Amino acid sequence: QLQLQESGPGLVKPSETLSLICTVSGTPVTNNYFWAWIRQAPGQGLEWIGIAYHTGLTYYSPSVKSRVTISVDTSKNQFSLNLNSVAAADTAIYYCARSGGGSINSYLEFWGQGALVTVSS
Amino acid sequence: QSVMTQPPSVSAAPGQKVTISCSGSSSNLGSNYVSWYLQLPGTTPSLLIYDNDKRPSGIPDRFSGSKSGTSATLGITGLQTGDEAHYYCGAWDSSLSAWVFGGGTKLTVL
Repeated sequence: QLQLQESGPGLVKPSETLSLICTVSGTPVTNNYFWAWIRQAPGQGLEWIGIAYHTGLTYYSPSVKSRVTISVDTSKNQFSLNLNSVAAADTAIYYCARSGGGSINSYLEFWGQGALVTVSS
Repeated sequence: QSVMTQPPSVSAAPGQKVTISCSGSSSNLGSNYVSWYLQLPGTTPSLLIYDNDKRPSGIPDRFSGSKSGTSATLGITGLQTGDEAHYYCGAWDSSLSAWVFGGGTKLTVL
């Protein structure tokens, strides 16, 4: 059974880098799926951050493109999110997810439980 | 401001039917599948409808989806108090090369 679990610091200082890892169990990250990050600020809707394929192919939201990197670590069966120069507006629950198919426009089928990250000094 | 537009809230009585609209553009709903996500209070979003009108296993047929042109609709029949949640539409936007969500709709079952 597929499971996705986010992990990382729950508190990040302004201007620093937010780093999260999504550990995947139940399927290899090298299978024909895309791996995504989505966030949800307190009381707000869902915001897609970006998506990656195990070959290194990535797509990012225009709103964070200059600050974000998503990468897939096939040796650890994980994928990661790095968001630099964070500010209070980056405070959110961060979800990792897997696509439902091997197309970039495929739906988001499986979601992790989410990790709350607060940006504060 | 979301790329795709949903009504902020809808409401209906138990047992009734409700529809939630999602309005987009030619670069997202007009050329890609829509999917819908359910977020019960305090929980993780979950897939409700995919590829416009398909239900994942375990989703009752009270939930339905449709798409026409640049608009999509989620329908829920036989409303239950347990359906109270936020509902989000989502689709790939070919112009942005990014996934976009609607702003979300809060369903209240009166």
